[in-house]
Amino acid sequence: EAQVTQNPRYLITVTGKKLTVTCSQNMNHEYMSWYRQDPGLGLRQIYYSMNVEVTDKGDVPEGYKVSRKEKRNFPLILESPSPNQTSLYFCASSPQRGVIAKNIQYFGAGTRLSVL
Amino acid sequence: AQSVTQLDSHVSVSEGTPVLLRCNYSSSYSPSLFWYVQHPNKGLQLLLKYTSAATLVKGINGFEAEFKKSETSFHLTKPSAHMSDAAEYFCVVSDNVGNEKLTFGTGTRLTIIP
Repeated sequence: EAQVTQNPRYLITVTGKKLTVTCSQNMNHEYMSWYRQDPGLGLRQIYYSMNVEVTDKGDVPEGYKVSRKEKRNFPLILESPSPNQTSLYFCASSPQRGVIAKNIQYFGAGTRLSVL
Repeated sequence: AQSVTQLDSHVSVSEGTPVLLRCNYSSSYSPSLFWYVQHPNKGLQLLLKYTSAATLVKGINGFEAEFKKSETSFHLTKPSAHMSDAAEYFCVVSDNVGNEKLTFGTGTRLTIIP
């Protein structure tokens, strides 16, 4: 089954304790992205990756890191989490640019993070 | 630059009556437009998309949307609401340039009254 898998689904942590949220897709998609969803703000892009070893900042990258060593995986790293990073996070993937189905992004089920 | 405005944060309709969720967009180029639905505690699912073909787009579960360039609108409609339609709906725009980033609206929560 084609899917984007995020882990964990729920996470409670404390300020300053490094954490990683994993994201994996099995559709051979080149494009992957991370979003955070906050009430009244919709989804905002954190980082994206056009392909392996290619990553770039989205609208709200501060306090986050990503890596893209393999095509299928795109982990989100919070080196020193703070309470303002409490949010619902979504990973998404999309086929290569220029394909008819371009820009259709497939979303994971989300990771709800609470930073105390 | 691109942006999208969902005109209603919350819409309530009775079961069996029509649904209208409003969306206006701004784009410097010929945009792609999407509606995504998010059911409680679930990820986002694509309802329908407009990518410069037919201006009336049909999606899943009986939803459709019409792209109106003169009005810069992409409203989502359904003739008859069902209880299972209760969810949050996001209108999304992409300029189709650069990183082809999606810009999301702030969402409209649809409540269905039995």
